[in-house]
Amino acid sequence: GDSVTQMEGPVTLSEEAFLTINCTYTATGYPSLFWYVQYPGEGLQLLLKATKADDKGSNKGFEATYRKETTSFHLEKGSVQVSDSAVYFCALRGAGTASKLTFGTGTRLQVTL
Amino acid sequence: GAGVSQSPRYKVAKRGQDVALRCDPISGHVSLFWYQQALGQGPEFLTYFQNEAQLDKSGLPSDRFFAERPEGSVSTLKIQRTQQEDSAVYLCASSLGGVPHEQFFGPGTRLTVL
Repeated sequence: GDSVTQMEGPVTLSEEAFLTINCTYTATGYPSLFWYVQYPGEGLQLLLKATKADDKGSNKGFEATYRKETTSFHLEKGSVQVSDSAVYFCALRGAGTASKLTFGTGTRLQVTL
Repeated sequence: GAGVSQSPRYKVAKRGQDVALRCDPISGHVSLFWYQQALGQGPEFLTYFQNEAQLDKSGLPSDRFFAERPEGSVSTLKIQRTQQEDSAVYLCASSLGGVPHEQFFGPGTRLTVL
């Protein structure tokens, strides 16, 4: 079945550092890929998405590129801020399911001054 | 604007009790999803409704779990004879329709079974 593997946290960075959170997936066909973010005390929010190979999703300075050849969707940001501290979830929606999301285990990011 | 709301936000139950968790989706959203998130894990799909029809219940872990959405709006997830392994955050999400519409998540109900 479909699955998502993402790097374990926590990830601790200083403000303005470069961020990479790795995400790889297993799925049949051509899934859609997502990054969700959960800020402390809040619900899950969609951060960015990509629906086909080589698409780049971007939002709030975050980017991720759908790489079918490596089945990856790594999240990057050039300069993190303290306000980016949150838990980040990689997810996919399978080509055949048309509905449910399959999530990774989440990566906690802590940004310090 | 109103987002997805869930109640209660926290529920403590003794093992063996029945619980009911409520989800109010965004008005006009056709699709509704329930997910279970264990501590330190990502959300896992439980079930999916389109209007009042339950189209996918493949993620429900046992027959103690039951979900309904009788009028195509509010949904209730019921867990009978709760067990300690049911302790988790239960998330509800709604969307305008199926693909490619975004799922909007509620804040979740944290269930603790003692």
